[in-house]
Amino acid sequence: DTEVTQTPKHLVMGMTNKKSLKCEQHMGHRAMYWYKQKAKKPPELMFVYSYEKLSINESVPSRFSPECPNSSLLNLHLHALQPEDSALYLCASSHRLAGGTQETQYFGPGTRLLVL
Amino acid sequence: QQPVQSPQAVILREGEDAVINCSSSKALYSVHWYRQKHGEAPVFLMILLKGGEQKGHEKISASFNEKKQQSSLYLTASQLSYSGTYFCGTGGSTLGRLYFGRGTQLTVWP
Repeated sequence: DTEVTQTPKHLVMGMTNKKSLKCEQHMGHRAMYWYKQKAKKPPELMFVYSYEKLSINESVPSRFSPECPNSSLLNLHLHALQPEDSALYLCASSHRLAGGTQETQYFGPGTRLLVL
Repeated sequence: QQPVQSPQAVILREGEDAVINCSSSKALYSVHWYRQKHGEAPVFLMILLKGGEQKGHEKISASFNEKKQQSSLYLTASQLSYSGTYFCGTGGSTLGRLYFGRGTQLTVWP
């Protein structure tokens, strides 16, 4: 089973709202990732967690706040977003950190976010 | 460090072959190929680790030339289901970071 689940599937929020995206995997993976993807563009890495500790923050604005409460769960807290933050937000996981290794990242279906 | 993919777009008839290339100016430790259909998540196809390694998945295979810092994805006897955007992701020395190319949009017509 290589399933990563994400909720909600769609989210519409105003610029003053606070919302959270949720990602879950039960594959025993210890690395989890948040990506942002705009239409017709590749996924852009935002955050990487390894063993529940933040490993990479790609200089993401503080209005995005990640959280990894346990090894199966990854949240992305959103506050005071801008319309340009509208995008598909993808979560991924791998056994350990991927990159220059044999580890494969498995993506969830994503949350389509619209900021009004 | 974003790899360069070519071509940007390919249009095929069912049964035709295609090649998608991915090259990098930096040393490559791994190449990951994904396919993404419209409105869906990227789906993992294969990973290549060693120089010269070739992998296959049904009628889709790939090669990795470490010296030339490039990889190619080969789609033979294409099917309608192959339509989508293909991304290569390259791994360097920094664990946790994959750099994705801009993608190649493949359309297969009946």
